[in-house]
Amino acid sequence: KQEVTQIPAALSVPEGENLVLNCSFTDSAIYNLQWFRQDPGKGLTSLLLIQSSQREQTSGRLNASLDKSSGRSTLYIAASQPGDSATYLCAVRRRRDSNYQLIWGAGTKLIIKP
Amino acid sequence: ETGVTQTPRHLVMGMTNKKSLKCEQHLGHNAMYWYKQSAKKPLELMFVYSLEERVENNSVPSRFSPECPNSSHLFLHLHTLQPEDSALYLCASSPHKAPTYEQYFGPGTRLTVT
Repeated sequence: KQEVTQIPAALSVPEGENLVLNCSFTDSAIYNLQWFRQDPGKGLTSLLLIQSSQREQTSGRLNASLDKSSGRSTLYIAASQPGDSATYLCAVRRRRDSNYQLIWGAGTKLIIKP
Repeated sequence: ETGVTQTPRHLVMGMTNKKSLKCEQHLGHNAMYWYKQSAKKPLELMFVYSLEERVENNSVPSRFSPECPNSSHLFLHLHTLQPEDSALYLCASSPHKAPTYEQYFGPGTRLTVT
């Protein structure tokens, strides 16, 4: 059974720091992995999607990596800003099961202090 | 703005009421989803419709009844809910094709059952 874990559950850092959010999954047979951002009480915004054949994806100050063999993905945020404060969720899409179903982590709540 | 809209944004209802949540997508997608998000828990997939046909139903209580009249609209009909049903209900849509099946989310409906 695929399980997705995000550690830490919460993180607070000063503005300007580079930081890494972690996502681990128990079954390496994934189709792709997606990182989302959620602002308080709001819906989810897709940040990056990495296909199983890819190692990383970049968008602006964000870089997501994928290591299937170790069951890990990281989201790197460069030069953090207060506007980056949000909850970050990762989700994996399993290969063998329905292509519609995402398995979700519980998220990391990030606070960037001015 | 993700191209997925949800109404209402907030809803307070008693346990004997009947109400409906609405979702509309303007992305040309043909798969739509209902998720439940409770505090500090991973997202729970409730229903999936693909090409207007329900393809997944994750053992959701019958007090939740989905309807998908066409590929752009999705409803969640609610009746005789319980206080533990209070949560953020998120709608998403995605293409019904490879390679990514990337999901786009609406802003959610914050439901409070009194």
